[in-house]
Parts: sequence; C-alpha cells; structure tokens
Amino acid sequence: SAVISQKPSRDICQRGTSLTIQCQVDSQVTMMFWYRQQPGQSLTLIATANQGSEATYESGFVIDKFPISRPNLTFSTLTVSNMSPEDSSIYLCSVGMRGSNQPQHFGDGTRLSIL
Amino acid sequence: GIQVEQSPPDLILQEGANSTLRCNFSDSVNNLQWFHQNPWGQLINLFYIPSGTKQNGRLSATTVATERYSLLYISSSQTTDSGVYFCAGLLRGYNKLIFGAGTRLAVHP
Repeated sequence: SAVISQKPSRDICQRGTSLTIQCQVDSQVTMMFWYRQQPGQSLTLIATANQGSEATYESGFVIDKFPISRPNLTFSTLTVSNMSPEDSSIYLCSVGMRGSNQPQHFGDGTRLSIL
Repeated sequence: GIQVEQSPPDLILQEGANSTLRCNFSDSVNNLQWFHQNPWGQLINLFYIPSGTKQNGRLSATTVATERYSLLYISSSQTTDSGVYFCAGLLRGYNKLIFGAGTRLAVHP
C-alpha cells in the first residue's frame, strides 16, 4: 500500500492565523481526500482534492475556509484559514484509486490546537 | 437515515477476553473497511472486507453484504488493542468513505 507522509504532525496556533498541512504520497494515486475529526467524534470528509482543478467540497465546508491544492498525483495541501478554537481537530489525508476495489489509506494526521 | 452504525459505543475488557464489534450499513454503502485509531490518533487499516471473512492474527472480520452488517472479532485482547475502532463504507457512486461513530475499547491489565 502507499506510504503517506503528513506534515506537521501537530501544531498549536493562535486564533486568526492560518496553517497549511501537507500530504505526500510515495506513488501516484487517483484520489486524495481530506477529513476532519473533531474531539471525541468520528471522521467527516472535508473535500476531494482534484489534480489540476478546484477541490470538491462537502456540505458545510467552503473553499475560503479550507483552500486545497493538488498540483500533481502525489501531493496535496489543506489550509485551515482564520482559525478559531472550534477548528481544533485532527486533520487527515487519505488516498485511493478511482474505480478500483481497493481500500483507502490514511496519513498519520495533524493534531491541531487553537488557543 | 444512518448509513453506517456501530455497536457498542463503548467496551471495557479485561486483558485476555474476547469481543465482537458490529457495524450495520445501509444499502447506499458498500466496500466496508475496519480501522483502529490508536491513542496517538493514527488510523490503522485493519481489514478491507466487502464480503466474506478475513483473519489477521488475533483479529478477524466477517461481512454479510446481503444482510448489511459486518463483525470485527478480537480474541485474547491486549492492552495495546485499546483505542477506537471505526468501520467505514464507500458511498455508492462516489469515492467517499462514510464512517460510523466508532466503538471505544479499553483493555485493562
């Protein structure tokens, strides 16, 4: 399975600032996704990162708050903008192959705390 | 309605005990996966199990797709099994995973 590197692993940020999280895969993958896990909760999909075009956002998530880039088939970034304490969560990227009966795999996550 | 539902929500075991975790899923979801999230937040793939039975050491999983449920068996539990177990299914026609609420497992020595 693909090796997924996510950086940073954790951070503590001041409210009003922004943080960019990186996700690097060791092989080309069709699909890359970003999930959020709020404290004590399950995982919720933020968006699908599309290579060379705008990401596809789920209901409740907007590009201004969570801009996403995916310049190629092995790399994506998620920015959490204008952070507030409510953004304190674990953010995870996952990868998969479109149309294949293969599982999705996840990075180790970024644990983000907003003061 | 709820697309992926897990039970029980919480489970406390003595080391060495066996347990069964259940995942019910609606017909809009398929291609079940089981994950273990350790106390550091890492999400570990346990099984990709659209149907049938698989085993990996002390863990095994069975999915009966026609009856819309999956079971995760943990035998001879160890303290390192503690954490949250999630099942997730792929929403039909899309490539996004729908997660259950998880089962929080604590194994005590």
